[in-house]
Amino acid sequence: KNQVEQSPQSLIILEGKNCTLQCNYTVSPFSNLRWYKQDTGRGPVSLTIMTFSENTKSNGRYTATLDADTKQSSLHITASQLSDSASYICVVSRATGGGNKLTFGTGTQLKVEL
Amino acid sequence: DADVTQTPRNRITKTGKRIMLECSQTKGHDRMYWYRQDPGLGLRLIYYSFDVKDINKGEISDGYSVSRQAQAKFSLSLESAIPNQTALYFCATSDPSAGSNTGELFFGEGSRLTVL
Repeated sequence: KNQVEQSPQSLIILEGKNCTLQCNYTVSPFSNLRWYKQDTGRGPVSLTIMTFSENTKSNGRYTATLDADTKQSSLHITASQLSDSASYICVVSRATGGGNKLTFGTGTQLKVEL
Repeated sequence: DADVTQTPRNRITKTGKRIMLECSQTKGHDRMYWYRQDPGLGLRLIYYSFDVKDINKGEISDGYSVSRQAQAKFSLSLESAIPNQTALYFCATSDPSAGSNTGELFFGEGSRLTVL
C-alpha cells in the first residue's frame, strides 16, 4: 500500500533553535517528494522538491534530505523563527501509466515560541 | 490578488442543502484539482480536470460533482450536503510543462464548510 508517514505529529521549539521533521514512505515507483508549508488558515505552499538522484537541497533556512534506498526524507529548519509556525506536509509522487499520483502525509504541526 | 481564488471562504449550511464552492485561477494552468482536508488525515483528492472537456474522479468523489466551465474556473458541488462533508476544501492548479517543477500544486486559500 502506498503510504506516507510523518513524525512527529507535533513539535514545540523555542525561537532560534533547530529542528528536524521526518517523512517515511512506501510509495512505489517513486517519482519525486515535495515538502509543503501550510500556515494556519492558508493553502499549502511548496518549499522544495526532491528527485531520485538528489540527496540534499536547501531553500534558505530549510534543508531537505532524501534517502531513496531507505525511503526516508527529512526537513531541517535552522534558526527557527516565529513565522515557521505551521504544518509541514510531505507529498510523494508515484509514477503510473496515467501520470503521477500524489500521496500526502498528515503533516507535522510545528509551533515556535519565544 | 491571489493566483487561485476560492469562494466562499467559509460556509455553514444544513443537511440536505445544495452547496457550490467556486475556484478561479489566473495562473494560466490547464490542470485543476479539488482536495479535502480533515484533521489527522492527509489531503485527499476529490476530482481533477486536465482541460475544459476533461473531468476525472479522485479517491473520494462520492457525494460530489464538479464543473469545469472554462480553463480558469473549476467548481465543486455537493448536491445534498451531509455532516461528514464538514471539512476544509482546497482548489489547486498545476502546470505539466513546468520542467523540474512539474507536479507542483498551487493551492487556493481554502473553503471551510460546516454541515449541520
